[in-house]
Formats: sequence, structure tokens, C-alpha cells
Amino acid sequence: EVHLVESGGGLVLPGGSLRLSCAASGFTFSSHWMSWVRQAPGRGLEWVANIKQDGSEKNYVDSVKGRFTISRDNTKNSLYLQMNNLRAEDTAVYYCAKVIAGYWGQGTLVTVSS
Amino acid sequence: SYELTQPPSVSVSPGQTARITCSGDALPKKYPYWYQQKSGQAPVLVIYDDNKRPSGIPERFSASSSGTMATLTVSGAQVEDEADYYCFSTDYSGTLWVFGGGTKLTVL
Repeated sequence: EVHLVESGGGLVLPGGSLRLSCAASGFTFSSHWMSWVRQAPGRGLEWVANIKQDGSEKNYVDSVKGRFTISRDNTKNSLYLQMNNLRAEDTAVYYCAKVIAGYWGQGTLVTVSS
Repeated sequence: SYELTQPPSVSVSPGQTARITCSGDALPKKYPYWYQQKSGQAPVLVIYDDNKRPSGIPERFSASSSGTMATLTVSGAQVEDEADYYCFSTDYSGTLWVFGGGTKLTVL
């Protein structure tokens, strides 16, 4: 059975940083593109970033370019999202996902507020 | 940037057919995926590879495409189908991934 478990969310001040982690199991993690998707309170789903199987290609939504960095460690079956210079509009539940396969974690809440 | 456009809401009575549309310039080349999300829950994939259903998804869910518009059809909608529905696809290059804005399906 596939499991994706996010961690690392919390309350952070504007301008602060946070690192999200996602532990994957139940599938061959190193064979798949992986993504982070977020959902602001009361809003729709927004794709944030994705990363190729070997980490050689990374893509981001325009609103996080230069501030967020996606990475992975295939030896640990783990996905990461380093978030710097956080803004109030980054407040959301962040999901680790293999979107085209329908694999999602339960999400971790990031709140950016003073 | 690339956008997928969905109507904000669709409403039907139980047993009727609900149709949710998704428009995007690259849809003729990039099959959309469809997600269902109920309140407080993670999204659930209901359609992939244009019109395939994952195991456990009822046959009443189907999808079709014509040109730049894709449609999710719920035939004989049930009260339990009330949820937000999102289409998902990519731009022509495959590097920019995007969700539609979501459609709230009301069945009552």
C-alpha cells in the first residue's frame, strides 16, 4: 500500500523559512516524478513544484520561483521542499503527491503570520 | 503561465447527469486528469489517461474531450458525489503542471 507522510509544517513569521519533508513507501519512489501541491484555506488546489526521478529537472509555479527549492533523496525515499522568504499568501496545506498516479499524503499545514 | 478554466459550480438533482467542463489550449495534446475532493479530505483521482477509472471509482464517472475542452460526466449523480472536482494537466512542454480552479458539484 502506498503511503506518503508529510511533516515540517507549522507557524512561521513572514520572511521566515521552513523545510517540509515527505516520507514515501509502498512504491518504487526513485522511478517517479514527484510533486508538491498546496491548498490555501477555502481555495483550490495549486501545483507548486515537481522533480524528475533523478533530481536532474525541477519545475516551479511562478509565484514560488527563487524562494522554494524542491529536492529528493532516493536512498531515503524522501521528498523535500525548502521554503524561504515566506509570505502570508503561502499559507496553505501542502501535499506531497504523485499526481498522475493519485498518490497523496494527508498534508501538512503551513501558516505564515505575525 | 498556463491555465485551465472550470465553471465554479454545477448543480443537479439526484439521478440526473452532471457535466463539468475544463478548457485549456493544450488539452488536445495533453490528456486531463480529474480529481474529486470532499471537505477536509485529500483529493481522490477519479479519471486518468483521458478516460480510465482507478480501481474503486464507480462506472458512473467518465470523461471525454473535444478540441480544447474536456468534460467529466457523472451519470446518475448520487448525493455522495457532492464534492469539489478539479481537472489537472500540463502545458505543451510538459514542464508546467496546473489544476483548474475547481467546480463545486451540488447534488440535491
